[in-house]
Amino acid sequence: DADVTQTPRNRITKTGKRIMLECSQTKGHDRMYWYRQDPGLGLRLIYYSFDVKDINKGEISDGYSVSRQAQAKFSLSLESAIPNQTALYFCAISGTSFLDEQFFGPGTRLTVL
Amino acid sequence: GQQVMQIPQYQHVQEGEDFTTYCNSSTTLSNIQWYKQRPGGHPVFLIQLVKSGEVKKQKRLTFQFGEAKKNSSLHITATQTTDVGTYFCAGWRSSNTGKLIFGQGTTLQVKP
Repeated sequence: DADVTQTPRNRITKTGKRIMLECSQTKGHDRMYWYRQDPGLGLRLIYYSFDVKDINKGEISDGYSVSRQAQAKFSLSLESAIPNQTALYFCAISGTSFLDEQFFGPGTRLTVL
Repeated sequence: GQQVMQIPQYQHVQEGEDFTTYCNSSTTLSNIQWYKQRPGGHPVFLIQLVKSGEVKKQKRLTFQFGEAKKNSSLHITATQTTDVGTYFCAGWRSSNTGKLIFGQGTTLQVKP
């Protein structure tokens, strides 16, 4: 089984709709991250969490919110989706040291019409 | 804005040719990590460099960390079609408390 799972894997929605992307992990890591990938822009950090009670904004948090429901679960919400939020979204996890690698989920491809 | 710059953005090579991607930071990095993303896949960790001037090799791949810990490079010797994908560098800033900063990535295409 994969260490990091994301649901849904693909989603098409309309402008103004509320969308939730979910991430679960089985490695027991404390740190979880949400990234957005756009062509030519690489991976940009949206939000990150170091434990259940910790939420931090990344570089592009506007229009997004997150919830860390448990150590293993980290959800990303788009309260009112807009077309420029069309992108590939990745959840990642890591240990607590800056030397720890990040493990990425398979990604969610979101299209906002 | 982006604090880790990676060039080139795209590279097309003939199979057997060498390939290099460069990563440059505006600030000193505590470490540099390299990831590979295959087409349609997710980023997968390749290697980490921590020491100033460090060089590491993985078969045909050579990774370097600059003396000032502000730049890094990945060199692939004699590319193969299995090398196709996007290569990302990522680093922790020495003054940063928790964010791994990714470069924009270099997408490598290999023509057989």
